[in-house]
Amino acid sequence: EPEVTQTPSHQVTQMGQEVILRCVPISNHLYFYWYRQILGQKVEFLVSFYNNEISEKSEIFDDQFSVERPDGSNFTLKIRSTKLEDSAMYFCASSGDRQAGPDTQYFGPGTRLTVL
Amino acid sequence: RKEVEQDPGPFNVPEGATVAFNCTYSNSASQSFFWYRQDCRKEPKLLMSVYSSGNEDGRFTAQLNRASQYISLLIRDSKLSDSATYLCVVPQAGNQFYFGTGTSLTVIP
Repeated sequence: EPEVTQTPSHQVTQMGQEVILRCVPISNHLYFYWYRQILGQKVEFLVSFYNNEISEKSEIFDDQFSVERPDGSNFTLKIRSTKLEDSAMYFCASSGDRQAGPDTQYFGPGTRLTVL
Repeated sequence: RKEVEQDPGPFNVPEGATVAFNCTYSNSASQSFFWYRQDCRKEPKLLMSVYSSGNEDGRFTAQLNRASQYISLLIRDSKLSDSATYLCVVPQAGNQFYFGTGTSLTVIP
């Protein structure tokens, strides 16, 4: 069964450093998403991406965040200058499967980001 | 009113019990609704989607009440493996999705 993959599974970085989180969505999906989940809190929407551009973003997704689909398979989230409060689990998701419907999202296993 | 609100839980039920969770949403224009389950420190996994009045899949039944803007999830004959956090997800305009805080379920032997 196709699945969303994410790398790395755990990233430790120093405050102020840039990080890039990588995702490979399901191959025939058209919509891509990033979410974050701070430990013990709810899953929060960051951004959705369709047709090579951002379609929606939340208030959390400020200028320090950016997304890119550099080739036909990868979807990345860059955090330019990490803060302590960026420590969270970051989930990538994709949707747009013709059978399941455009809203039905499938999540990757997540990247746990720890900012020291 | 929050975009998505769920029963705070936690729910602790014996094996074999029936348990129901509720979720209310604020956007009356929402057309699709989802229940996901999340195990500790894992990704959300799709449980059910709801596009009309309801959906049933084995022991799981989701009901949608558009007039009152809530959806419910009913689990019959609870099993130990059902222990997880259940997340209500409601898409908003465009491709923005709101998650509820989740309801924790523990099924006790």
